[in-house]
Amino acid sequence: LAKTTQPISMDSYEGQEVNITCSHNNIATNDYITWYQQFPSQGPRFIIQGYKTKVTNEVASLFIPADRKSSTLSLPRVSLSDTAVYYCLVGDEAGANNLFFGTGTRLTVIP
Amino acid sequence: DSGVTQTPKHLITATGQRVTLRCSPRSGDLSVYWYQQSLDQGLQFLIQYYNGEERAKGNILERFSAQQFPDLHSELNLSSLELGDSALYFCASSVTPYLNTEAFFGQGTRLTVV
Repeated sequence: LAKTTQPISMDSYEGQEVNITCSHNNIATNDYITWYQQFPSQGPRFIIQGYKTKVTNEVASLFIPADRKSSTLSLPRVSLSDTAVYYCLVGDEAGANNLFFGTGTRLTVIP
Repeated sequence: DSGVTQTPKHLITATGQRVTLRCSPRSGDLSVYWYQQSLDQGLQFLIQYYNGEERAKGNILERFSAQQFPDLHSELNLSSLELGDSALYFCASSVTPYLNTEAFFGQGTRLTVV
């Protein structure tokens, strides 16, 4: 199962677009890329999942280049309530025997 | 509210003891996943059940066990507890049998071993 590398922390001002990049150099052909958001003392919340190119939903976009060795979560016009830890996961849907959340990226939105 | 219910919310127990954590998945979800989150280890996948059967196993210690019952609720049993087992334990559920999928997490059970 591919492991991921993300920046430990990021700061952004309110209203800006935030891009968080995740590296997954040994991603396998059948692997999908999934992002979760976690607030303190709460369970993670699913944000978005993709396989290639671009996926967009009501809260975020996910950009995946052709080689799929990295992915970028884009949060448009962040607000203070977006301050959280963001986790990138890579794995196939069928599931190898484990799933690694990694250390995540702590995003702090500044007023 | 994710629809996943975990009880109890907090648990304090002594080393060497055994505890049971309970999880009720969202209505209609057949998969239940258990995770451990500690300060030094981050979020670790422990085990998954799908429709009553063990589906995937992660970093689960031999002192820990889980099961999923016919009504689809699940229990995580932790025995011979050690100080290092103090952590937040999350349960998640999904409609699919997959591991890397959209899963809905409960609020967690905070276990403190003293």
